[in-house]
Amino acid sequence: QQPVQSPQAVILREGEDAVINCSSSKALYSVHWYRQKHGEAPVFLMILLKGGEQKGHEKISASFNEKKQQSSLYLTASQLSYSGTYFCGTGNTGKLIFGQGTTLQVKP
Amino acid sequence: EAQVTQNPRYLITVTGKKLTVTCSQNMNHEYMSWYRQDPGLGLRQIYYSMNVEVTDKGDVPEGYKVSRKEKRNFPLILESPSPNQTSLYFCASSLQGRPGYGYTFGSGTRLTVV
Repeated sequence: QQPVQSPQAVILREGEDAVINCSSSKALYSVHWYRQKHGEAPVFLMILLKGGEQKGHEKISASFNEKKQQSSLYLTASQLSYSGTYFCGTGNTGKLIFGQGTTLQVKP
Repeated sequence: EAQVTQNPRYLITVTGKKLTVTCSQNMNHEYMSWYRQDPGLGLRQIYYSMNVEVTDKGDVPEGYKVSRKEKRNFPLILESPSPNQTSLYFCASSLQGRPGYGYTFGSGTRLTVV
């Protein structure tokens, strides 16, 4: 079953923070996060494998709460380059089901 | 350069004319997968393969076939394309069972069936 992302879209100014949520009605064992810029292929950001684990690099991080069956992606001090559509994916690496996506637009 | 290569990038075809979209990866990845992307529906998995000769259906397999005779190649076959298969298709590959590894996607194939 497809995970549900929220919000569907968000508009930010440079330097502002954003949170994108991903929730599932089924038990989660891992969560992937990808970013897709307009006209390009999705690019892998990170995978979270353990409950409560928070991973990230630079100003993009994520958390994973097994009990709540949800993950959140945190974008801190947004840059113009963060614009794009963010997808979460759940399941094992073979059968990976993506959410419907969250479109993020960062304005100067 | 490590990559997933899809061909063609763009294809316009007529209803019922069989076609194949090729996908090749040079990273020795075990897992390969096909997705279609439609506005408002996100990425939907068509088929995936966990190794040579091992394939399984994703969420939207109807009207598609795949084969995995070699580790590097995973072609997508549309035996009798219909207009509802007009979409943007992505092939992707991944290392099997390695923590921290996600899918590497190809550049996409935009298919139009008229």
